[in-house]
Amino acid sequence: QQQVKQSPQSLIVQKGGISIINCAYENTAFDYFPWYQQFPGKGPALLIAIRPDVSEKKEGRFTISFNKSAKQFSLHIMDSQPGDSATYFCAASQSFGNEKLTFGTGTRLTIIP
Amino acid sequence: SAVISQKPSRDICQRGTSLTIQCQVDSQVTMMFWYRQQPGQSLTLIATANQGSEATYESGFVIDKFPISRPNLTFSTLTVSNMSPEDSSIYLCSVERAGWDTEAFFGQGTRLTVV
Repeated sequence: QQQVKQSPQSLIVQKGGISIINCAYENTAFDYFPWYQQFPGKGPALLIAIRPDVSEKKEGRFTISFNKSAKQFSLHIMDSQPGDSATYFCAASQSFGNEKLTFGTGTRLTIIP
Repeated sequence: SAVISQKPSRDICQRGTSLTIQCQVDSQVTMMFWYRQQPGQSLTLIATANQGSEATYESGFVIDKFPISRPNLTFSTLTVSNMSPEDSSIYLCSVERAGWDTEAFFGQGTRLTVV
């Protein structure tokens, strides 16, 4: 199975709060898990990515948590800001094999003042 | 990184007509990808365009409906043929830096409305 399941579909968080988006995958051959951020009228852009040899990766306010045994990974946005309002897609791919990215269904995040 | 220019950025078309979307990349790439993003939906891969060969279409997409050209290593077009309102969507061109960490770069998309 190539699916990547993402939840929630939409999320509203107050400014300063923590935004959490979850993804689950089925294909154990996946070994690269990026998150993409898309603003209205723009194409998606890579935000942060993780490999399964680590359980967590942090870049500024953005953190990916990875649970290999559960085949789940999540994006945490700390101190969420109105500028973080966007659609977020998780994705997965297999290095040096079928490298095409499989995308999750997307989460529309809205940060309210 | 890669800079992708896609045009038109949006269009409103009559049903039954066709629209050709252009995608220009600032560097030579082997494969270019065309995605469809329906309102509130994920990115669905339509086809992979290789220079010098026929495009490879994903399940549910056919060449007669979505013909693709790839005349060189920096340019591709996607045509949406015989359009119906169900084709209203955002169409995205993409290239990938494949290998250890696959990173996809996207154009800004073409927002198509069929009336």
